[in-house]
Amino acid sequence: RKEVEQDPGPFNVPEGATVAFNCTYSNSASQSFFWYRQDCRKEPKLLMSVYSSGNEDGRFTAQLNRASQYISLLIRDSKLSDSATYLCVVNMNNQGGKLIFGQGTELSVKP
Amino acid sequence: DTGVSQNPRHKITKRGQNVTFRCDPISEHNRLYWYRQTLGQGPEFLTYFQNEAQLEKSRLLSDRFSAERPKGSFSTLEIQRTEQGDSAMYLCASSPTGNYGYTFGSGTRLTVV
Repeated sequence: RKEVEQDPGPFNVPEGATVAFNCTYSNSASQSFFWYRQDCRKEPKLLMSVYSSGNEDGRFTAQLNRASQYISLLIRDSKLSDSATYLCVVNMNNQGGKLIFGQGTELSVKP
Repeated sequence: DTGVSQNPRHKITKRGQNVTFRCDPISEHNRLYWYRQTLGQGPEFLTYFQNEAQLEKSRLLSDRFSAERPKGSFSTLEIQRTEQGDSAMYLCASSPTGNYGYTFGSGTRLTVV
């Protein structure tokens, strides 16, 4: 079983749609959680950290459920520029800061 | 440019040849990481350094792979006797101690023919 699992997609949605990505992680000792965005043939970039209380950044909302070991990302009013791969990432903290990535979920927003 | 710099950007090599990649981290970051990413997958951890000490190596890092960070600044990743399965994007990242400020370089794309 992979340490971090995501639905690979692709998700094809029209502009303005709301789209949700889900992620599960296997190690209950995971301490920190993130969503990264990766454009085609580019490096991953941090989109947002994920906190147990949930957090929002504009059109993006992230949620963490530690009991279920589940992380989500909601994108509202999607834009063409949101087209990318979204990577769910966990960090063990006590393992020196290395990040463990899911395989990514590809999003394509169409006009 | 104060970001993470990787060279070369692209490398095409024949099977069996040795290749070496370089990563220059953000200068004040004492942690440096190497990841490998293949098509359709997320980045996979290879190894990381805290200053010049290599603190962890993944099982993915076979004996043909070696990484160094001799002075705690730049790092090199060498692959000996390359195989077609080594074709991937090799990403370097750096961070200060702790989990924040993790920055990736643009990567080196290796193609083994």
